Amino acid sequence: GQQLNQSPQSMFIQEGEDVSMNCTSSSIFNTWLWYKQDPGEGPVLLIALYKAGELTSNGRLTAQFGITRKDSFLNISASIPSDVGIYFCAGNTGANSKLTFGKGITLSVRP
Amino acid sequence: EAGVAQSPRYKIIEKRQSVAFWCNPISGHATLYWYQQILGQGPKLLIQFQNNGVVDDSQLPKDRFSAERLKGVDSTLKIQPAKLEDSAVYLCASSAGLRDRGEKLFFGSGTQLSVL
Repeated sequence: GQQLNQSPQSMFIQEGEDVSMNCTSSSIFNTWLWYKQDPGEGPVLLIALYKAGELTSNGRLTAQFGITRKDSFLNISASIPSDVGIYFCAGNTGANSKLTFGKGITLSVRP
Repeated sequence: EAGVAQSPRYKIIEKRQSVAFWCNPISGHATLYWYQQILGQGPKLLIQFQNNGVVDDSQLPKDRFSAERLKGVDSTLKIQPAKLEDSAVYLCASSAGLRDRGEKLFFGSGTQLSVL
């Protein structure tokens, strides 16, 4: 089945810094999604991407759908302590296909 | 608008025991999903319902897992008998339609299961 690769498993940054996370796949995806999960909660959608090359922002977050349709990145600018959490990429290959999640990246922000 | 409700929040059982989880989706949402999230992994779909019918249960271990959504609203997921490797967070999610691509998926807070 499709797999989404996220690395590294953990990232540590200083408050105020920018951070970029990448997600890659060997398969082509039609939709890319980025979720954040806080401890003890379910994932919450941050950004959804639908077209190759698409660049979408949500406040301090920016995500792009790769041209090859096999990757996506998420950028967080001017990080703040509440950005701490696990960031998952997810994608699917069609309107009726199941959503595949990456393993997630745990972000820590030092004040 | 109330979110996806799940209970219990935590459950500890011994292997070979049975356990059941309950989910009430967002009002009016036709599609309901059960995901399993093992520590350090992303959520993995176990079963998807459209109203009270099963759309996808290809990754559900049917020898021990069962799920139902009899009236097309709330749902229960059961494990019988539980194994150690079933220790995970079980997330319920719902969405308004079948054909969205995940962007309208709303998750509950999950049930954390520990099998000893």
